[in-house]
Amino acid sequence: EPEVTQTPSHQVTQMGQEVILRCVPISNHLYFYWYRQILGQKVEFLVSFYNNEISEKSEIFDDQFSVERPDGSNFTLKIRSTKLEDSAMYFCASSVTGDEKLFFGSGTQLSVL
Amino acid sequence: RKEVEQDPGPFNVPEGATVAFNCTYSNSASQSFFWYRQDCRKEPKLLMSVYSSGNEDGRFTAQLNRASQYISLLIRDSKLSDSATYLCVVNQAGTALIFGKGTTLSVSS
Repeated sequence: EPEVTQTPSHQVTQMGQEVILRCVPISNHLYFYWYRQILGQKVEFLVSFYNNEISEKSEIFDDQFSVERPDGSNFTLKIRSTKLEDSAMYFCASSVTGDEKLFFGSGTQLSVL
Repeated sequence: RKEVEQDPGPFNVPEGATVAFNCTYSNSASQSFFWYRQDCRKEPKLLMSVYSSGNEDGRFTAQLNRASQYISLLIRDSKLSDSATYLCVVNQAGTALIFGKGTTLSVSS
Protein backbone atom coordinates (compact mmCIF):
# COMPACT_ATOMS: atom_id res chain seq x y z
CA GLU A 1 0.00 0.00 0.00
CA PRO A 2 1.38 3.46 -0.85
CA GLU A 3 2.40 5.53 2.12
CA VAL A 4 3.54 8.98 3.14
CA THR A 5 7.16 8.95 4.23
CA GLN A 6 8.78 11.45 6.58
CA THR A 7 12.39 12.09 7.43
CA PRO A 8 14.02 12.28 9.85
CA SER A 9 12.04 10.33 12.44
CA HIS A 10 13.74 12.32 15.21
CA GLN A 11 15.35 15.76 15.08
CA VAL A 12 17.11 17.43 17.98
CA THR A 13 18.06 21.08 17.60
CA GLN A 14 19.15 24.06 19.62
CA MET A 15 16.78 26.94 20.20
CA GLY A 16 17.14 29.54 17.47
CA GLN A 17 18.33 27.08 14.84
CA GLU A 18 16.56 26.41 11.56
CA VAL A 19 15.10 22.98 10.88
CA ILE A 20 13.64 21.43 7.75
CA LEU A 21 11.28 18.52 8.04
CA ARG A 22 10.82 16.45 4.92
CA CYS A 23 7.91 14.51 3.54
CA VAL A 24 7.19 12.51 0.42
CA PRO A 25 3.42 12.40 -0.10
CA ILE A 26 1.67 9.62 -1.97
CA SER A 27 2.39 10.14 -5.65
CA ASN A 28 -1.11 10.72 -7.07
CA HIS A 29 -2.27 12.89 -4.18
CA LEU A 30 -2.90 16.58 -4.78
CA TYR A 31 -3.41 18.01 -1.29
CA PHE A 32 -0.67 18.17 1.30
CA TYR A 33 -0.76 19.06 4.96
CA TRP A 34 1.34 19.58 8.02
CA TYR A 35 -0.08 18.91 11.47
CA ARG A 36 1.66 18.88 14.81
CA GLN A 37 0.97 17.21 18.15
CA ILE A 38 2.54 18.43 21.35
CA LEU A 39 2.94 15.58 23.84
CA GLY A 40 -0.39 14.89 25.52
CA GLN A 41 -2.25 17.39 23.36
CA LYS A 42 -4.48 17.15 20.32
CA VAL A 43 -3.41 16.97 16.71
CA GLU A 44 -3.30 20.58 15.48
CA PHE A 45 -3.56 21.81 11.91
CA LEU A 46 -0.70 23.94 10.64
CA VAL A 47 -1.04 24.36 6.89
CA SER A 48 -2.52 22.90 3.73
CA PHE A 49 -0.97 23.13 0.27
CA TYR A 50 -2.55 22.65 -3.12
CA ASN A 51 -1.51 23.54 -6.65
CA ASN A 52 1.86 24.82 -5.44
CA GLU A 53 0.49 27.29 -2.97
CA ILE A 54 -0.80 27.48 0.58
CA SER A 55 -4.57 27.00 0.59
CA GLU A 56 -5.12 27.40 4.31
CA LYS A 57 -3.05 28.02 7.42
CA SER A 58 -3.72 28.20 11.13
CA GLU A 59 -2.72 30.89 13.59
CA ILE A 60 0.14 28.62 14.68
CA PHE A 61 1.69 28.91 11.21
CA ASP A 62 3.34 32.31 11.66
CA ASP A 63 6.25 33.93 9.84
CA GLN A 64 8.68 31.44 11.37
CA PHE A 65 7.12 28.65 9.33
CA SER A 66 7.24 28.03 5.61
CA VAL A 67 6.43 25.17 3.27
CA GLU A 68 7.78 24.24 -0.09
CA ARG A 69 7.37 21.60 -2.74
CA PRO A 70 10.77 21.96 -4.36
CA ASP A 71 10.82 19.13 -6.88
CA GLY A 72 7.37 17.62 -7.44
CA SER A 73 7.82 14.84 -4.93
CA ASN A 74 9.10 16.32 -1.67
CA PHE A 75 7.06 18.55 0.61
CA THR A 76 9.01 20.36 3.30
CA LEU A 77 8.24 22.32 6.44
CA LYS A 78 10.86 24.84 7.53
CA ILE A 79 10.99 26.45 10.94
CA ARG A 80 13.34 29.42 10.70
CA SER A 81 14.26 30.02 14.32
CA THR A 82 13.05 27.26 16.58
CA LYS A 83 11.59 27.91 20.02
CA LEU A 84 11.26 25.54 22.95
CA GLU A 85 7.51 25.42 22.38
CA ASP A 86 8.04 24.10 18.84
CA SER A 87 8.94 20.74 20.38
CA ALA A 88 6.29 18.34 19.09
CA MET A 89 5.58 15.48 16.72
CA TYR A 90 5.10 16.88 13.24
CA PHE A 91 2.91 14.87 10.90
CA CYS A 92 2.74 15.27 7.16
CA ALA A 93 -0.42 14.10 5.41
CA SER A 94 -1.76 13.93 1.89
CA SER A 95 -5.08 13.28 0.23
CA VAL A 96 -6.52 12.94 -3.25
CA THR A 97 -9.46 15.32 -3.05
CA GLY A 98 -8.86 17.40 0.06
CA ASP A 99 -12.20 16.60 1.67
CA GLU A 100 -11.78 12.95 2.43
CA LYS A 101 -9.36 10.51 3.92
CA LEU A 102 -5.99 11.84 4.97
CA PHE A 103 -3.00 9.55 4.84
CA PHE A 104 -0.49 10.46 7.53
CA GLY A 105 3.21 9.84 7.65
CA SER A 106 4.74 8.34 10.77
CA GLY A 107 5.90 11.76 11.95
CA THR A 108 9.07 13.60 12.90
CA GLN A 109 9.64 14.08 16.61
CA LEU A 110 11.23 17.52 16.97
CA SER A 111 12.99 18.33 20.23
CA VAL A 112 14.18 21.90 20.74
CA LEU A 113 16.73 22.29 23.54
CA ARG B 1 -11.83 28.08 14.54
CA LYS B 2 -14.52 26.15 16.41
CA GLU B 3 -13.69 23.16 18.52
CA VAL B 4 -14.34 19.45 18.67
CA GLU B 5 -14.95 18.14 22.18
CA GLN B 6 -14.50 14.59 23.42
CA ASP B 7 -14.57 12.88 26.80
CA PRO B 8 -10.87 12.13 27.32
CA GLY B 9 -11.48 8.97 29.35
CA PRO B 10 -9.69 6.73 29.93
CA PHE B 11 -12.26 4.04 29.36
CA ASN B 12 -11.06 0.81 30.95
CA VAL B 13 -13.12 -2.18 29.81
CA PRO B 14 -12.74 -5.97 29.79
CA GLU B 15 -12.47 -7.95 26.60
CA GLY B 16 -15.87 -8.53 25.05
CA ALA B 17 -17.40 -5.35 26.45
CA THR B 18 -19.34 -2.81 24.44
CA VAL B 19 -18.12 0.76 24.75
CA ALA B 20 -19.41 4.02 23.33
CA PHE B 21 -17.60 7.30 22.72
CA ASN B 22 -19.22 10.65 22.17
CA CYS B 23 -18.12 13.80 20.46
CA THR B 24 -19.66 17.23 19.97
CA TYR B 25 -18.67 19.85 17.46
CA SER B 26 -19.46 23.52 17.65
CA ASN B 27 -19.41 24.60 14.00
CA SER B 28 -22.79 23.91 12.42
CA ALA B 29 -21.21 24.34 8.97
CA SER B 30 -19.19 21.15 9.43
CA GLN B 31 -19.86 18.74 6.60
CA SER B 32 -17.54 15.76 6.90
CA PHE B 33 -17.08 13.61 9.95
CA PHE B 34 -14.60 10.87 10.78
CA TRP B 35 -13.25 8.68 13.51
CA TYR B 36 -9.49 8.20 13.49
CA ARG B 37 -7.52 5.86 15.68
CA GLN B 38 -4.13 6.77 17.13
CA ASP B 39 -1.82 4.34 18.85
CA CYS B 40 0.71 5.66 21.34
CA ARG B 41 3.28 7.92 19.64
CA LYS B 42 2.03 6.87 16.18
CA GLU B 43 0.24 8.68 13.38
CA PRO B 44 -3.56 8.92 13.24
CA LYS B 45 -5.21 6.39 10.95
CA LEU B 46 -8.72 6.58 9.55
CA LEU B 47 -11.07 4.17 11.30
CA MET B 48 -14.26 5.16 9.51
CA SER B 49 -16.16 8.02 7.99
CA VAL B 50 -19.45 8.99 9.62
CA TYR B 51 -22.55 9.41 7.49
CA SER B 52 -25.87 11.01 8.33
CA SER B 53 -27.68 7.70 8.07
CA GLY B 54 -25.23 6.04 10.44
CA ASN B 55 -22.83 3.36 9.28
CA GLU B 56 -21.35 0.13 10.50
CA ASP B 57 -18.04 -1.59 9.82
CA GLY B 58 -17.81 -4.93 11.55
CA ARG B 59 -17.78 -4.33 15.31
CA PHE B 60 -17.77 -0.55 14.86
CA THR B 61 -20.86 1.63 14.45
CA ALA B 62 -20.80 5.38 13.92
CA GLN B 63 -23.75 7.74 14.28
CA LEU B 64 -24.20 11.40 13.42
CA ASN B 65 -26.84 13.76 14.78
CA ARG B 66 -26.56 17.02 12.88
CA ALA B 67 -29.31 18.74 14.87
CA SER B 68 -27.46 18.14 18.14
CA GLN B 69 -24.00 18.40 16.50
CA TYR B 70 -23.11 15.09 18.05
CA ILE B 71 -21.15 12.09 16.78
CA SER B 72 -20.78 8.71 18.41
CA LEU B 73 -18.72 5.57 17.99
CA LEU B 74 -19.81 2.21 19.35
CA ILE B 75 -17.39 -0.69 19.65
CA ARG B 76 -18.87 -4.11 20.27
CA ASP B 77 -17.03 -7.19 21.54
CA SER B 78 -13.89 -5.20 22.44
CA LYS B 79 -10.54 -6.79 21.68
CA LEU B 80 -7.18 -6.16 23.32
CA SER B 81 -6.06 -4.71 20.00
CA ASP B 82 -8.75 -2.01 20.22
CA SER B 83 -6.72 -0.29 22.95
CA ALA B 84 -5.85 3.11 21.48
CA THR B 85 -6.97 6.73 21.42
CA TYR B 86 -9.99 7.45 19.26
CA LEU B 87 -10.06 10.84 17.60
CA CYS B 88 -13.23 12.59 16.49
CA VAL B 89 -12.52 14.66 13.38
CA VAL B 90 -14.67 17.15 11.47
CA ASN B 91 -14.29 19.64 8.67
CA GLN B 92 -16.19 22.10 6.56
CA ALA B 93 -16.01 21.75 2.79
CA GLY B 94 -12.63 22.84 1.52
CA THR B 95 -11.02 23.31 4.89
CA ALA B 96 -8.58 21.26 6.88
CA LEU B 97 -9.62 18.51 9.27
CA ILE B 98 -10.04 19.56 12.89
CA PHE B 99 -9.22 16.95 15.50
CA GLY B 100 -10.64 16.42 18.94
CA LYS B 101 -8.22 15.62 21.71
CA GLY B 102 -9.26 12.00 21.69
CA THR B 103 -10.75 9.39 23.99
CA THR B 104 -8.42 6.74 25.36
CA LEU B 105 -9.61 3.15 25.46
CA SER B 106 -7.85 0.41 27.39
CA VAL B 107 -9.14 -3.14 26.92
CA SER B 108 -7.91 -5.70 29.42
CA SER B 109 -8.06 -9.49 29.53
